[in-house]
Amino acid sequence: DVKVTQSSRYLVKRTGEKVFLECVQDMDHENMFWYRQDPGLGLRLIYFSYDVKMKEKGDIPEGYSVSREKKERFSLILESASTNQTSMYLCASSLPGDSSYNEQFFGPGTRLTVL
Amino acid sequence: DQQVKQNSPSLSVQEGRISILNCDYTNSMFDYFLWYKKYPAEGPTFLISISSIKDKNEDGRFTVFLNKSAKHLSLHIVPSQPGDSAVYFCAAKPPPTSGTYKYIFGTGTRLKVLA
Repeated sequence: DVKVTQSSRYLVKRTGEKVFLECVQDMDHENMFWYRQDPGLGLRLIYFSYDVKMKEKGDIPEGYSVSREKKERFSLILESASTNQTSMYLCASSLPGDSSYNEQFFGPGTRLTVL
Repeated sequence: DQQVKQNSPSLSVQEGRISILNCDYTNSMFDYFLWYKKYPAEGPTFLISISSIKDKNEDGRFTVFLNKSAKHLSLHIVPSQPGDSAVYFCAAKPPPTSGTYKYIFGTGTRLKVLA
């Protein structure tokens, strides 16, 4: 079974703090993704990575950065947290997009509240 | 511009009856579609998928129908069970030739199955 784990289930931070969200997958997947889920807006892609040290912006990258130093780990960084970044953050991984059509496997999510 | 739309934010169905969840898309280049199910405080889990070369795919109680000319897909759950109560997301994948690994997710439909 693919397992995608996220470092925290719940996180409360203050405005202006630097926040790190960590994601680890154990299936040697090339692709990793960070989404946020907000009511009425569905899943919106923040950043994704298709290889170590490679990253691409998703639909809403503003205010976020990412790091992928190792294949199994993909970190999302909020340089200076703001209240509008309060959300559920979901990490996902998948096999390469150029192979057979591969589903994305999701972690359990991190509910981040910025006060 | 929402390329994948789920126009019903919520749906209530009696236990044992059929649940029909709908999804519309705008990009005719999408060639693979997936449904994910999400319980509160958990990450989405893959449910069923369909390739654009098919018009139907069945897996137990779950059937997905694809109408390419209408750019419409639907998920049928028969019979519905209380454990099916969750948020359902449809997602579309561009073809490998597009050079992107992004899935485009809809906004979700919250299904409530009443006992």
